Amino acid sequence: GEDVEQSLFLSVREGDSSVINCTYTDSSSTYLYWYKQEPGAGLQLLTYIFSNMDMKQDQRLTVLLNKKDKHLSLRIADTQTGDSAIYFCAETGAGNNRKLIWGLGTSLAVNP
Amino acid sequence: EAGVTQSPTHLIKTRGQQATLRCSPISGHTSVYWYQQALGLGLQFLLWYDEGEERNRGNFPPRFSGRQFPNYSSELNVNALELEDSALYLCASSLAGQGRNQPQHFGDGTRLSIL
Repeated sequence: GEDVEQSLFLSVREGDSSVINCTYTDSSSTYLYWYKQEPGAGLQLLTYIFSNMDMKQDQRLTVLLNKKDKHLSLRIADTQTGDSAIYFCAETGAGNNRKLIWGLGTSLAVNP
Repeated sequence: EAGVTQSPTHLIKTRGQQATLRCSPISGHTSVYWYQQALGLGLQFLLWYDEGEERNRGNFPPRFSGRQFPNYSSELNVNALELEDSALYLCASSLAGQGRNQPQHFGDGTRLSIL
């Protein structure tokens, strides 16, 4: 079946790197996404990676994909207090059904 | 460029009533998606519309329905409201994609509360 798992909480100090991990079960996933949700707000698309890629870097964000282990990670360099939010991992399977399967989200707390 | 806009921001209803939620996609996007974010259940896919037609549907009862208008905006209708329908309803839009998945961009949601 389709399932995405994430750890629920992560706490880091300001200036450190944060690494948020995600595992998924659908081996036919074509795209994997990271979204950010701040309190009371909708979801902001941070970045996404196609399943034939191993890594994608975008400014402070680095996404690593281990397709063999079905493991996805998001690294935030030089984490700031404004990065405090819930981060969601999502996958979409093969074909064109457009249905995103979501993890429950990782709540990132950045301490000054 | 305006993002995905949803209205109303909050909606309070009682059991048995009907609710209508609205969504305007990003200009140029023809696909619209609806998701439910309920406490303890995470985000669940509801519906996908493209070019005015329902393309895919999540595991929700028929009292959840919607439509997409010629200008690509969309409505989600929930009939016979139940307490467990209380949730944040998120709308997203994307480019058509010509058969490939496209990143979905979200609005800020409508918070539906059932009393």
